[in-house]
Amino acid sequence: DSGVTQTPKHLITATGQRVTLRCSPRSGDLSVYWYQQSLDQGLQFLIQYYNGEERAKGNILERFSAQQFPDLHSELNLSSLELGDSALYFCASSTRWTGYNEQFFGPGTRLTVL
Amino acid sequence: DQQVKQNSPSLSVQEGRISILNCDYTNSMFDYFLWYKKYPAEGPTFLISISSIKDKNEDGRFTVFLNKSAKHLSLHIVPSQPGDSAVYFCAATTITSGTYKYIFGTGTRLKVLA
Repeated sequence: DSGVTQTPKHLITATGQRVTLRCSPRSGDLSVYWYQQSLDQGLQFLIQYYNGEERAKGNILERFSAQQFPDLHSELNLSSLELGDSALYFCASSTRWTGYNEQFFGPGTRLTVL
Repeated sequence: DQQVKQNSPSLSVQEGRISILNCDYTNSMFDYFLWYKKYPAEGPTFLISISSIKDKNEDGRFTVFLNKSAKHLSLHIVPSQPGDSAVYFCAATTITSGTYKYIFGTGTRLKVLA
């Protein structure tokens, strides 16, 4: 158990809808990262927050947004969903904001868009 | 453009023998590399990392080798155990214009045969 929690575990929705994925980092970790893993693909970095502020941005679509709240939990909002958004979404956390440290991953949320 | 490549989707090794997992990268600006292990239905777990100023890092049964001139990274597991059966991802980090990039390979599925 990494100490990172993600809810929900599974989510099934329809095209055009909007969903929110939630992540609670390990106790004491200030950085939160979001990744997308599509079928047979590697993890694609989406975005990083550190102590409530955006620190790094990857290949995140404009239809996607995220935020980190004062209690350090984070939410990833996906809107106008398309079939291709079906994937595993992982949240990770770390103590520092720099990239030179290990990340602790949650179990993921599996999103299915029908 | 896949900047981090794991060209072997799968690998089978006999228990007790050495497992060698390979990773190639194209961006010479990557300066920190990590290996993660992933079991089904779980998030990736950090294994070992190496800075670009080193060419080897060892932790127990796991050793990572970095060949900067060849832009090649490898993970050696000795001796291999059935519990090592998992998907292994290599990841690379760099900082560009003050923002970090985190790039993952597509993974290699290791099967250790008892």
